[in-house]
Amino acid sequence: GAVVSQHPSRVICKSGTSVKIECRSLDFQATTMFWYRQFPKQSLMLMATSNEGSKATYEQGVEKDKFLINHASLTLSTLTVTSAHPEDSSFYICSAQTGNEQYFGPGTRLTVT
Amino acid sequence: AQKITQTQPGMFVQEKEAVTLDCTYDTSDPSYGLFWYKQPSSGEMIFLIYQGSYDQQNATEGRYSLNFQKARKSANLVISASQLGDSAMYFCATRSLVSGGYNKLIFGAGTRLAVHP
Repeated sequence: GAVVSQHPSRVICKSGTSVKIECRSLDFQATTMFWYRQFPKQSLMLMATSNEGSKATYEQGVEKDKFLINHASLTLSTLTVTSAHPEDSSFYICSAQTGNEQYFGPGTRLTVT
Repeated sequence: AQKITQTQPGMFVQEKEAVTLDCTYDTSDPSYGLFWYKQPSSGEMIFLIYQGSYDQQNATEGRYSLNFQKARKSANLVISASQLGDSAMYFCATRSLVSGGYNKLIFGAGTRLAVHP
């Protein structure tokens, strides 16, 4: 089946530092990847849509300069949280689309101290 | 605009019994897909079942079935013979299938299911 991996699964960083999260489709090519954010006991909120070789499309209210997305290949997209602050602490989930289906990564729990 | 409504924040069911999780949707697109995902405490999103708006029959996948009522704009998930491992958050979602349309998944607020022994 279609597998999406994320790395790291957990990360703790100090306020002001940057953190990079990788999302890979392991056994299929994904022209489109999505990045979501989920706060405790809430639903997934789409942050941005990433298409290979082009700039990401950010949802309203998401700061593109703070959440840098790069989709360099058909199997890899990265999300960099720049100058992280405690309010950026959250669960970040990526997904990769193939056909009509989206497969999700296992998520990355970011804690900013 | 698309919208998913899940009115049950939490549900309880006895092991081995069936449970229905409600989902209603609102969309102006002529062609759309409906999805259900399971999210256990580990956080991963597990795809359960898919229903296309033009599918004549209700989708089924093992113990999961989708009760699709297009006129009522509902896409309820039915889990038969509940197991303890079914305890999790369940999210209903929709996505436009219109060519060139905005193909992002829109999620509902979710329903937390607890299966009791």
